[in-house]
Amino acid sequence: KQEVTQIPAALSVPEGENLVLNCSFTDSAIYNLQWFRQDPGKGLTSLLLIQSSQREQTSGRLNASLDKSSGRSTLYIAASQPGDSATYLCAAYTGGFKTIFGAGTRLFVKA
Amino acid sequence: DTAVSQTPKYLVTQMGNDKSIKCEQNLGHDTMYWYKQDSKKFLKIMFSYNNKELIINETVPNRFSPKSPDKAHLNLHINSLELGDSAVYFCASSQLRLAGGTGELFFGEGSRLTVL
Repeated sequence: KQEVTQIPAALSVPEGENLVLNCSFTDSAIYNLQWFRQDPGKGLTSLLLIQSSQREQTSGRLNASLDKSSGRSTLYIAASQPGDSATYLCAAYTGGFKTIFGAGTRLFVKA
Repeated sequence: DTAVSQTPKYLVTQMGNDKSIKCEQNLGHDTMYWYKQDSKKFLKIMFSYNNKELIINETVPNRFSPKSPDKAHLNLHINSLELGDSAVYFCASSQLRLAGGTGELFFGEGSRLTVL
């Protein structure tokens, strides 16, 4: 049974800092791993999708990596800004029409 | 043009009532889902539908009855509402890789249900 864990649960950093959010999963037989952003009271916005055959994906200041053998993914945010403050969720798809989510990391970037 | 839209955005109702949430996607996806986000913000899958057929029912009480009239729509009807049903319900869709897509999940804005 797939379990997804995100560390840390919350993170507060000063503006401009580079930061890494961690995601681990117990079943390495994933088809893809997806990172989302959720603002308070809003839906989930897809940030990056990494297929099982890929090692990383980049979009602007965001870079996500995937290491299936160790069951880990990281989301790197460069030069953080107050607008990056949100909850970041990772989700793993291992087939069976079911994607499993981590509990999220709440990020606060101080101006 | 919203990709996944759900209505209503807010529902406030009394225990014992019945309510419905509607979801529509204009992405041409074959697969749609309902997720529940509880007060601790944890997202848990409830149902998965593929080509209008129920694939996953994650031990959801039978007071919850999803219905998919066509591939673009997945509605959720809840009977005899209980206090514990208060949560945010999210609709999502995807096109799996085996169906020629990328597997990327797209979410609606959520429907916040409050049961008094």
